[in-house]
Amino acid sequence: DGGITQSPKYLFRKEGQNVTLSCEQNLNHDAMYWYRQDPGQGLRLIYYSQIVNDFQKGDIAEGYSVSREKKESFPLTVTSAQKNPTAFYLCASSIVSGRGDYGYTFGSGTRLTVV
Amino acid sequence: GQNIDQPTEMTATEGAIVQINCTYQTSGFNGLFWYQQHAGEAPTFLSYNVLDGLEEKGRFSSFLSRSKGYSYLLLKELQMKDSASYLCAVIGYNKLIFGAGTRLAVHP
Repeated sequence: DGGITQSPKYLFRKEGQNVTLSCEQNLNHDAMYWYRQDPGQGLRLIYYSQIVNDFQKGDIAEGYSVSREKKESFPLTVTSAQKNPTAFYLCASSIVSGRGDYGYTFGSGTRLTVV
Repeated sequence: GQNIDQPTEMTATEGAIVQINCTYQTSGFNGLFWYQQHAGEAPTFLSYNVLDGLEEKGRFSSFLSRSKGYSYLLLKELQMKDSASYLCAVIGYNKLIFGAGTRLAVHP
């Protein structure tokens, strides 16, 4: 079945360490997105990529980095510069960016806890 | 700038009808989504509106007025399992932007 796989589901890291969250899709979607969600809040856009080897900052990109070397993969690195990294992280994809008629597919999320 | 507003919390009684409103101001508009989300899970698609008017899907309906920057989600015959957060999201230029979500509590 086609879909988005995020791993791991739960991740614990020590303060000051960089950590990379995985997002893989086999839907042949061009566009991919990373969102952050804090308790009781909506989703905030971190980075998005419309096509391979291209990505743009979202609303809260500071302290995060991404790469898009392959169409199916869009890993997110949470760096030590991110002041409050503990959150629920969701990856999403769509056939193309900017169109909703084909919908968006979401991964099951990674809950990152920094101790 | 971009702004999507929806009420923070709502309560309703099982079997009743509830309307969740969403107003938006975004750079560009290519459609509006409503999602349902339970805590710690991914959002689940409910509806998509790109043209003005009402879209009905079973117990759920969604309305859009592009000139007013306004949408609502209507839930009928509420069930306890409808207790969740409901997220309004707008496609601007190339990206999907979310409101903060409305937490709905359904009581017996």
